[in-house]
Amino acid sequence: ETGVTQSPTHLIKTRGQQVTLRCSSQSGHNTVSWYQQALGQGPQFIFQYYREEENGRGNFPPRFSGLQFPNYSSELNVNALELDDSALYLCASSGTGQPSSYNSPLHFGNGTRLTVT
Amino acid sequence: KQEVTQIPAALSVPEGENLVLNCSFTDSAIYNLQWFRQDPGKGLTSLLLIQSSQREQTSGRLNASLDKSSGRSTLYIAASQPGDSATYLCAVDFSGGYQKVTFGTGTKLQVIP
Repeated sequence: ETGVTQSPTHLIKTRGQQVTLRCSSQSGHNTVSWYQQALGQGPQFIFQYYREEENGRGNFPPRFSGLQFPNYSSELNVNALELDDSALYLCASSGTGQPSSYNSPLHFGNGTRLTVT
Repeated sequence: KQEVTQIPAALSVPEGENLVLNCSFTDSAIYNLQWFRQDPGKGLTSLLLIQSSQREQTSGRLNASLDKSSGRSTLYIAASQPGDSATYLCAVDFSGGYQKVTFGTGTKLQVIP
């Protein structure tokens, strides 16, 4: 069973640039969620994708967007980067059925550390 | 507003001690509660998940309890070891099973040999 993998592990960008982060979900999981974790804080929910459709969004602006592909892997795109976007971005996969019926643990990748200068 | 709070923010104990980490949440209408471990600069590892209908879950030296009426959960670690040193995060699913979970800020545990 392959776990959740994220790439790249580290990234440095300049304010105003755009970035794409990638996530491969655990084998068999059809739902991917993205979280942002600022230093010393708990992760905050960005959005969730189920079967290639956005399935809920947290309190993040539209310059945070995503995609999910037919193989359930996912991308997180952030436009017009700001200094406050510096954080650890975590991807979590779950579920083999439909959302709203999950009572199984979230499986997280090791994250991408984004630094905006 | 649905919030999750973890106190204390940091805890230091000698090896072998039993300890309790606390988590409180503001809305009793939860779907489940998960405890995670996070090592520095790493992702999260799921430790225990307690469903809304359950009172506790156990895995090895770990025991997690849930009291929805009081909005509290505890993670009990028996016979602590230096390898238990990490940040422990509590996460609550208020979204009815959609797993859009709300995290606390974590308790950083240091176990001193």
